[in-house]
Amino acid sequence: GAVVSQHPSWVICKSGTSVKIECRSLDFQATTMFWYRQFPKQSLMLMATSNEGSKATYEQGVEKDKFLINHASLTLSTLTVTSAHPEDSSFYICSAIRLAGYNEQFFGPGTRLTVL
Amino acid sequence: QQQVKQSPQSLIVQKGGISIINCAYENTAFDYFPWYQQFPGKGPALLIAIRPDVSEKKEGRFTISFNKSAKQFSLHIMDSQPGDSATYFCAASTGTSYDKVIFGPGTSLSVIP
Repeated sequence: GAVVSQHPSWVICKSGTSVKIECRSLDFQATTMFWYRQFPKQSLMLMATSNEGSKATYEQGVEKDKFLINHASLTLSTLTVTSAHPEDSSFYICSAIRLAGYNEQFFGPGTRLTVL
Repeated sequence: QQQVKQSPQSLIVQKGGISIINCAYENTAFDYFPWYQQFPGKGPALLIAIRPDVSEKKEGRFTISFNKSAKQFSLHIMDSQPGDSATYFCAASTGTSYDKVIFGPGTSLSVIP
């Protein structure tokens, strides 16, 4: 199967600090990864599309200076939440498309961010 | 036009019963329709997917029915079990390999013994 991991699985930070979340495809290469945000009992909201070696494409309404995305290699994308505030507390999920697949997305286990 | 509608919002089914979740879309460019299962605190997992060239796909107890003319598709879970209790999302995307997937709002399924 195709496995996507995220680290950390949960993080608590103080308001004003920055938090980095890693997303890795463990057994396949992914030129495209996606970052989602999910609030309790709601659907996934796409934040940005991350392409290896190029700038991320952000969805309308998502602050690119607040949510920094870096897709450094075919197996790693990072999301940095800068100057986090309590309203940024959420469940962040990444997904990766397998290179040879037909838009088959594999999701990571998610990262629970709590900003105090 | 990019929306995917999903109903019901929540569903309670007795063990052994059939769970049915319905979805509808508007964008005729969509040609890949996956279903995801998500347990609390976990990421979604691909359950089953269908393309419009077939009207039905079955994998174990899970079946997708697809009606291209009505732009509707549904998930049937046969012999529902308590372990199936989760949130289910239907989704849709276009044929481009790296295109984003549009998710429905989700259905919370509870299977009671």
